[in-house]
Amino acid sequence: QSVLTQPPSLSAAPGQKVTISCSGSSSNIGNNYVSWYQQLPGTAPKLLIYENNKRPSGIPDRFSGSKSGSSATLGIIGLQTGDEADYYCGTWDNSLSTGVFGGGTKLTVL
Amino acid sequence: QVQLQESGPGLVKPSETLSLTCGVSGYSINSGYYWGWIRQPPGKGLEWIGNIYNSGSTYFNPSLKGRVTISLDTSRNQFSLNLSSVTAADTAVYFCARVSWGLRDSYNYFYYMDVWGTGTTVTVSS
Repeated sequence: QSVLTQPPSLSAAPGQKVTISCSGSSSNIGNNYVSWYQQLPGTAPKLLIYENNKRPSGIPDRFSGSKSGSSATLGIIGLQTGDEADYYCGTWDNSLSTGVFGGGTKLTVL
Repeated sequence: QVQLQESGPGLVKPSETLSLTCGVSGYSINSGYYWGWIRQPPGKGLEWIGNIYNSGSTYFNPSLKGRVTISLDTSRNQFSLNLSSVTAADTAVYFCARVSWGLRDSYNYFYYMDVWGTGTTVTVSS
C-alpha cells in the first residue's frame, strides 16, 4: 500500500487531454513539494515535473503540474502514442522521514 | 552531462548480502546533492530505499528494518548499497539516482530525483 494514492490506470485518445491525480496527507503533499516521473516500458523513470509545477530542461510544455492542499495533479495535453507509460508522483514525508511514491498510473493512449 | 550507472551481481542467494555500486560521471559527488537508491519489484511500483549526503548523513526506509547501508567512495566518485539477509521479496530492478533535497519557504521540503541510472536487475534465488 503506497503512501500516495494514484489511479492504477487511465486511457485517452491521441490528441486528447488527461489528468492524473495523486492524493496524500499533511505530512507529505500537504506541506512539501511534489515531483512527477514518467517511466516508459523497460526504462528508468525520468523526471517530468519538480517542485509542483516546474519542468526540467527538455520536457515539453504539454506536461504540467499543480497542487492543492494534500493533492497534486499531472496534466498532459495533446496526447501522443509515445506518452504511453507509467507515471509516478513523489515527495518527502515528514512523519516517516522517508521519500514516498504513489503506486503509479498506467496511461494508455488508444 | 551527468550519468549514473549501477553495477553488481544479478543473482544473490537467500540470506546473503546484496551489494551494488553506482558510478557517477560528469559530476563530483563531493560537490553537493544527495545520492539515493530506489527499487522496483517485478510488475510493481517504485519503492524508496534511502539516500546519503556527501557529509555521510543517511536516511533509510524503515520497512527494510536495519538491513540497509549506503556509503560513499569519493575517491572513485561512486556510492554503494548493501542489503543484508535478502529474501525473494528483495528481487527487483535497483536504480540509483541523484537527489535534490532542501527547504523552501522555511518549512516546505522539495525532494526529487533528477538523474537516474538505467537500473540493474537483482534476483534472489538459490
